[in-house]
Amino acid sequence: KQEVTQIPAALSVPEGENLVLNCSFTDSAIYNLQWFRQDPGKGLTSLLLIQSSQREQTSGRLNASLDKSSGRSTLYIAASQPGDSATYLCAVPSNTGKLIFGQGTTLQVKP
Amino acid sequence: DARVTQTPRHKVTEMGQEVTMRCQPILGHNTVFWYRQTMMQGLELLAYFRNRAPLDDSGMPKDRFSAEMPDATLATLKIQPSEPRDSAVYFCASGLGRDAETETQYFGPGTRLLVL
Repeated sequence: KQEVTQIPAALSVPEGENLVLNCSFTDSAIYNLQWFRQDPGKGLTSLLLIQSSQREQTSGRLNASLDKSSGRSTLYIAASQPGDSATYLCAVPSNTGKLIFGQGTTLQVKP
Repeated sequence: DARVTQTPRHKVTEMGQEVTMRCQPILGHNTVFWYRQTMMQGLELLAYFRNRAPLDDSGMPKDRFSAEMPDATLATLKIQPSEPRDSAVYFCASGLGRDAETETQYFGPGTRLLVL
């Protein structure tokens, strides 16, 4: 049974810092891995999707890496800004297509 | 055991036909989300409602997609006319809609759509 874990659960950093969010999964036979952002009261916003054949994806200040063999993905945020404050979720599809989410990391970037 | 329900669970249709998907959110939840999932694009937010009013539908192709909440117990997503590229699983999710919090969204089982 696939399980997805995210650490840390919460993170507070000063503006301008580079930071790394971690996601681990127990079954390495994944099709893809997706990182989302969740703002209070809003829907999930897709940030990056990495196919199983890829090792990383970049979008602006965000870089996501995938290491299937070790069951890990990281989301790197460069030069963090207060607007980056949100909850970040990673998810992988199960073999039935249902998305399995981690618990999320709540990020606070202080001005 | 409160849960989000979606109908139909599966739909096969021909290109050009109208498709209507329905969602019943958990009683008492005032926020409803519509997502589309494909293996290539992952999960994408199409639209969401708060107290039946649309708050954001920027992720939805406006020319063929429409989302409504006729009442608090029913949300609909329509595609007219449908195209093969619309083939995906469409998920509805509901939540309590507390603006100041990030909270759990409860997902329905999805509608698997195939447009031939």
